[in-house]
Amino acid sequence: DAKTTQPPSMDCAEGRAANLPCNHSTISGNEYVYWYRQIHSQGPQYIIHGLKNNETNEMASLIITEDRKSSTLILPHATLRDTAVYYCIVRSNDYKLSFGAGTTVTVRA
Amino acid sequence: NAGVTQTPKFRILKIGQSMTLQCTQDMNHNYMYWYRQDPGMGLKLIYYSVGAGITDKGEVPNGYNVSRSTTEDFPLRLELAAPSQTSVYFCASSPIGAANQPQHFGDGTRLSIL
Repeated sequence: DAKTTQPPSMDCAEGRAANLPCNHSTISGNEYVYWYRQIHSQGPQYIIHGLKNNETNEMASLIITEDRKSSTLILPHATLRDTAVYYCIVRSNDYKLSFGAGTTVTVRA
Repeated sequence: NAGVTQTPKFRILKIGQSMTLQCTQDMNHNYMYWYRQDPGMGLKLIYYSVGAGITDKGEVPNGYNVSRSTTEDFPLRLELAAPSQTSVYFCASSPIGAANQPQHFGDGTRLSIL
């Protein structure tokens, strides 16, 4: 699986949009971009995934650049409960998910 | 809507003891996985199963055993507990193993070996 690069931490104001960047410059054509988050003491929670097109669900939006070398996860209206470690993962047809260090997001009131 | 359920949530073992970590999913998923997460680290795959009766090793299988007798259950067994197995263990499941199928996780079992 391609490696990803994320900033180690970022702060966000409650009620504002949180934009989480991820670089995956060595991504292959058949690899998907996944986002998970892990709130303290809980299991990883699936957020969203995409291949080429931008995706949106009830939790977030995923914007993938045209060359697919980077992506951005957007939490449209961050709440205190969105404080977590966010993982960007590039995945091919492999059984394991390779979690890196992720981005620690702190939402402040 | 239970999803993936893991028991127990916490356990302390003595060196050399054995135990089974339980994992059950109610989503009729074919694929199931066991990961471990050491403090401050990412998840590492221990074992996975593609269906009842079929299991295979992941990245870090030594010291563990698994079985898959039903679609719903995928227990993980530690035979001779060692301090290096102190970790948080997560079970996950997915409909199939394809790249476009997300894995869904349980809340974990926190295991300490003393």
